[in-house]
Amino acid sequence: DGGITQSPKYLFRKEGQNVTLSCEQNLNHDAMYWYRQDPGQGLRLIYYSQIVNDFQKGDIAEGYSVSREKKESFPLTVTSAQKNPTAFYLCASSIRDNTDTQYFGPGTRLTVL
Amino acid sequence: GQQVMQIPQYQHVQEGEDFTTYCNSSTTLSNIQWYKQRPGGHPVFLIQLVKSGEVKKQKRLTFQFGEAKKNSSLHITATQTTDVGTYFCAGDGGSEKLVFGKGTKLTVNP
Repeated sequence: DGGITQSPKYLFRKEGQNVTLSCEQNLNHDAMYWYRQDPGQGLRLIYYSQIVNDFQKGDIAEGYSVSREKKESFPLTVTSAQKNPTAFYLCASSIRDNTDTQYFGPGTRLTVL
Repeated sequence: GQQVMQIPQYQHVQEGEDFTTYCNSSTTLSNIQWYKQRPGGHPVFLIQLVKSGEVKKQKRLTFQFGEAKKNSSLHITATQTTDVGTYFCAGDGGSEKLVFGKGTKLTVNP
């Protein structure tokens, strides 16, 4: 799990504000992922990227946006359009694609007040 | 779309008892992965199974992949308090996405 950093660990925002969560990896992995975790819901995929400058929507992309301008970085923006943004957000990376082991960052717990 | 069902959702055992969690997919999987998330932590990779009928062991943990490659199980023998956490299975089903089960939360009473 070393090599992927997410910051900050805890984040508080007012309702109606956009917020960007950072995810950086130094594992030289091609693929990166964002998941949302709610109690009893497991991990739900928001967005994923298998190569720089390209990304795909996951199962719950509405209200979120991402960019992949560098191989090492995959920031996630939670927009004001996301109706229930309070959750634990996990970033992950893998060498190439989803058949490879995924390495997770420590997560960011976002609370919208 | 592809679904990965995992049961039970919760399991409470006495230390020393065995524990099993089961994973079932609606589609045939090319591989299945298992992860463990400790309380307050993040998921950590445990193992990947690829072959039909494959069985792998890691000390007290035994992982099994079904013959049809649509189900899998994780069995822990003689649980310890260090086994506490949520265990997730994840499968790809040939798509670009890895689909996670909802996890089984294991608590162990010392």
